[in-house]
Amino acid sequence: EIVMTQSPATLSVSPGERATLSCRASQSVSSNLAWYQQKPGQAPRLLIYGASTRATGIPTRFSGSGSGTEFTLTISSLQSEDFAVYYCQQYNNWPPLTFGGGTKVEIK
Amino acid sequence: EVQLVESGGGLVQPGRSLRLSCAASGFTFDDYAMHWVRQAPGKGLEWVSGISWNSGSIGYADSVKGRFTVSRDNAKNSLYLQMNSLRAEDTALYYCARDIAPARAYYFDYWGQGTLVTVSS
Repeated sequence: EIVMTQSPATLSVSPGERATLSCRASQSVSSNLAWYQQKPGQAPRLLIYGASTRATGIPTRFSGSGSGTEFTLTISSLQSEDFAVYYCQQYNNWPPLTFGGGTKVEIK
Repeated sequence: EVQLVESGGGLVQPGRSLRLSCAASGFTFDDYAMHWVRQAPGKGLEWVSGISWNSGSIGYADSVKGRFTVSRDNAKNSLYLQMNSLRAEDTALYYCARDIAPARAYYFDYWGQGTLVTVSS
């Protein structure tokens, strides 16, 4: 099973600032990585797939990068609606599909 | 509009069974693999099971293997999860999620709102 590790667990950022979230895989997943955003009381929403391709309707302030075992989600200028929990998920090997433990982006 | 509506959750005693359903609409159901993903209260996401468009490829998380069975009825646009021998650690919100492809597991572009399963005596 591929273990996904996200860091930090919590990120405190001021509105308008840049946020950088990390996701590490226990073995290479190539570019087979997705990112999701989850707000309280809501289902997750797909943000990024293929490590760097934005899903339909996702603002350009969200960007993904990386390949192999190291990945990054960057939010260039945090808006109020971006404060949420973010999860990475690998789909290189299944079963199982595996998620990271999440990074909570909170208001500083 | 794509819609996924889960049902069948509730309070159940340890060791008992429960069957979850997911009704899909707004897309051609048998063009996509489907999955169950759960989230324990205050915790992260855990993939539970996935099934290809024709039920030819099925996978389970180790934590549920041998206890849970996923199935689908393409004629009814429905996905199911039969959960047997339930444990307290199965307590979670169970989401139905659509894969982006029909045959193997990738990632999820649509999610339902979830159905809550509570396992407790």
